[in-house]
Amino acid sequence: DAKTTQPPSMDCAEGRAANLPCNHSTISGNEYVYWYRQIHSQGPQYIIHGLKNNETNEMASLIITEDRKSSTLILPHATLRDTAVYYCIAYLSGNTPLVFGKGTRLSVIA
Amino acid sequence: EAQVTQNPRYLITVTGKKLTVTCSQNMNHEYMSWYRQDPGLGLRQIYYSMNVEVTDKGDVPEGYKVSRKEKRNFPLILESPSPNQTSLYFCASSLHRRGTEAFFGQGTRLTVV
Repeated sequence: DAKTTQPPSMDCAEGRAANLPCNHSTISGNEYVYWYRQIHSQGPQYIIHGLKNNETNEMASLIITEDRKSSTLILPHATLRDTAVYYCIAYLSGNTPLVFGKGTRLSVIA
Repeated sequence: EAQVTQNPRYLITVTGKKLTVTCSQNMNHEYMSWYRQDPGLGLRQIYYSMNVEVTDKGDVPEGYKVSRKEKRNFPLILESPSPNQTSLYFCASSLHRRGTEAFFGQGTRLTVV
């Protein structure tokens, strides 16, 4: 699986959009980009995934650049409960386990 | 409600005393796995199972056993726990093979003294 690079930490004001970047410059054509988050020692929670197209669900939006070398997870209106560690994973389905890196620690500030 | 349930949530035990951490999912998922999480090392996979009676080693299997006699259950067994197995453990399940929208349990914090 391609290695991903994320900033170690970010702050975001409550009610504002949180934009979390992820670089995956060595991603292969059939690797998906997955995002999970982990709230303070709870089990990781799936957020969203995509291959080429931008994706949106009730939790977040995922923007993948045209060359697929990077992506951005967008939480449109961050709340205090969104404070967590966010993991970006480039994943080739079926062959290897999910590999969680260090992620980005997002702090949402009132 | 779709969920993965682990028990116990917290456990303190002594070196060498066999223990089992249970994991159960109610989503009829084929794939289940165990992870441990340690500061600075992140989440690492211990064992996984692709279906009933099919299990395989992950990245850090030493000192652990698993079984998959039923689809819904995937217990983690520590035959002779040691202090280096003190960790936070997570069970996960997903519909198909590895990864893909995995559901995680709430975790079991194990301390071996």
